[in-house]
Amino acid sequence: ILNVEQSPQSLHVQEGDSTNFTCSFPSSNFYALHWYRWETAKSPEALFVMTLNGDEKKKGRISATLNTKEGYSYLYIKGSQPEDSATYLCAFDSWGKLQFGAGTQVVVTP
Amino acid sequence: DGGITQSPKYLFRKEGQNVTLSCEQNLNHDAMYWYRQDPGQGLRLIYYSQIVNDFQKGDIAEGYSVSREKKESFPLTVTSAQKNPTAFYLCASSMGLVNQPQHFGDGTRLSIL
Repeated sequence: ILNVEQSPQSLHVQEGDSTNFTCSFPSSNFYALHWYRWETAKSPEALFVMTLNGDEKKKGRISATLNTKEGYSYLYIKGSQPEDSATYLCAFDSWGKLQFGAGTQVVVTP
Repeated sequence: DGGITQSPKYLFRKEGQNVTLSCEQNLNHDAMYWYRQDPGQGLRLIYYSQIVNDFQKGDIAEGYSVSREKKESFPLTVTSAQKNPTAFYLCASSMGLVNQPQHFGDGTRLSIL
């Protein structure tokens, strides 16, 4: 079982502020890195699947970067809104078998 | 609307009883997965299936069994051999096995009576 770590475990953000958090994963045998958003009482929703070193993906105010050589990915939220409150999960894709981190819980307060 | 349907939403198991969790998808996805979530931990893979009539063990398969007789369906049986079955179970599917985003159901919460 691979070690996928996310930090911080939780963070509180004021509405309008930007924030970012980290996913660390093994740098060997890399296939892909997934990001999901999981809102309370809903099912996890795919944000990004990143495959190349230096990849940068964007979806609205959320973006992610990938460094496969050093084994980390950052997720950024620009101008946080209350609807961004969720747990953000990253997962290391090992030939279709995903190893998930425990998640970063983001709470955006008005 | 295409999606994944898990049922029931809540399930209770008596000691020594097998229970089956249902997962159906109408996304025409080839690959399907079962995960378990425990408090403070990431999702852990129980079983996955790349194609009909084929499935593979994930990281925590002991005490669980699956079948994949139809593309749309991937039921999970929690057997009496699973000593700590209380958890939240999520089913997912994807177009293919590798580098594909997974689509999740709403989950089933299993508790022991």
